[in-house]
Amino acid sequence: EAQVTQNPRYLITVTGKKLTVTCSQNMNHEYMSWYRQDPGLGLRQIYYSMNVEVTDKGDVPEGYKVSRKEKRNFPLILESPSPNQTSLYFCASSRRTGFTGTEAFFGQGTRLTVV
Amino acid sequence: DAKTTQPPSMDCAEGRAANLPCNHSTISGNEYVYWYRQIHSQGPQYIIHGLKNNETNEMASLIITEDRKSSTLILPHATLRDTAVYYCILTGTASKLTFGTGTRLQVTL
Repeated sequence: EAQVTQNPRYLITVTGKKLTVTCSQNMNHEYMSWYRQDPGLGLRQIYYSMNVEVTDKGDVPEGYKVSRKEKRNFPLILESPSPNQTSLYFCASSRRTGFTGTEAFFGQGTRLTVV
Repeated sequence: DAKTTQPPSMDCAEGRAANLPCNHSTISGNEYVYWYRQIHSQGPQYIIHGLKNNETNEMASLIITEDRKSSTLILPHATLRDTAVYYCILTGTASKLTFGTGTRLQVTL
């Protein structure tokens, strides 16, 4: 089954404790992206990757890092989480670079709470 | 990418067709119209997309006006499981999907 898998689904952590949210896709997609969703602000892109070893900032990259060492994985790293990073996070992938003419697949989400 | 305008909420009786409108009067020639939905807090789910012609798949139909300034997503026989927020999105060469506030569709018995 084609899918994007995020882990963990839920996470409560303390301020400053480094964490990684993993994202993996089994569709051999070139393009992957991270979004965060906050009430009243919709989904906003954090980082994206057009292919292995190619990453770029989205709209809200501050406080986040990513890496793309293999095609299937695109982890989101919070080096020093802060309460304003409490949010619902989604990973997405698509066959082509960008989303034109092809559908995007989203993971089930990671609900992160930073206290 | 051009912006879209959708009504904030709509109701539909189960078994009836749900017609969700979207205005995109500033759409440019290379921009596709995409529809996604988000059920509760799950990941957004792709529904359908089109450029000029009307499209149909197993989930829905997409009707795009001839001038491409508006479109309608049609769920032919809405069920309770179709209750969700529906997003109309335009995308050309941009590297992201820009989600607006969408239309909250409530399907009722």
